[in-house]
Amino acid sequence: GPKVLQIPSHQIIDMGQMVTLNCDPVSNHLYFYWYKQILGQQMEFLVNFYNGKVMEKSKLFKDQFSVERPDGSYFTLKIQPTALEDSAVYFCASSFGGADTEVFFGKGTRLTVV
Amino acid sequence: QQQVRQSPQSLTVWEGETAILNCSYENSAFDYSPWYQQFPGEGPALLISILSVSNKKEDGRFTIFFNKREKKLSLHIADSQPGDSATYFCAASPTGGNNKLTFGQGTVLSVIP
Repeated sequence: GPKVLQIPSHQIIDMGQMVTLNCDPVSNHLYFYWYKQILGQQMEFLVNFYNGKVMEKSKLFKDQFSVERPDGSYFTLKIQPTALEDSAVYFCASSFGGADTEVFFGKGTRLTVV
Repeated sequence: QQQVRQSPQSLTVWEGETAILNCSYENSAFDYSPWYQQFPGEGPALLISILSVSNKKEDGRFTIFFNKREKKLSLHIADSQPGDSATYFCAASPTGGNNKLTFGQGTVLSVIP
């Protein structure tokens, strides 16, 4: 089936540094998402993105977070600067439609901030 | 804000039995509820979904039952197989909610041969 690819699968970074998580969504999809999952907890919505713009973001989407998809390339989540509490698995997802349509998830990037 | 709760946290059944996973939500304005299956090291994959206008959705061995009045859903996995051993997440998307999913904490299912 359609695949969402996330690069890298693991990333360890020093607190205060910048990190960029990359996502290659399903090719004809128009809507893109990031979710955050802290170990042992549920996945939580961070942000969704359509037509070059953020549509909605949650309280978890701090000012240090930003997303973009320049020229149809990777959909990225940038955290600058990172904090210890940013350690989590970040899942990228995409869907063709914006409501009630199947959302496809990647395998996640495990981010560890030390 | 939508809250989704799942029970039990973990469930063990014998091969061939029906596994029943429960989910409840607190906000009545939910439009769409997908259930995701996740294996270790993998991302969640859509298993089955239901719209709030329906009270039942069946796909092979998997059936969702939805009680709108009580705001409860359940996923029944008939004839459970060892390959069904995974974590199952219930999610809900509000009406007109841009596919913003609120997930439960998941149920870890183990099927013993």
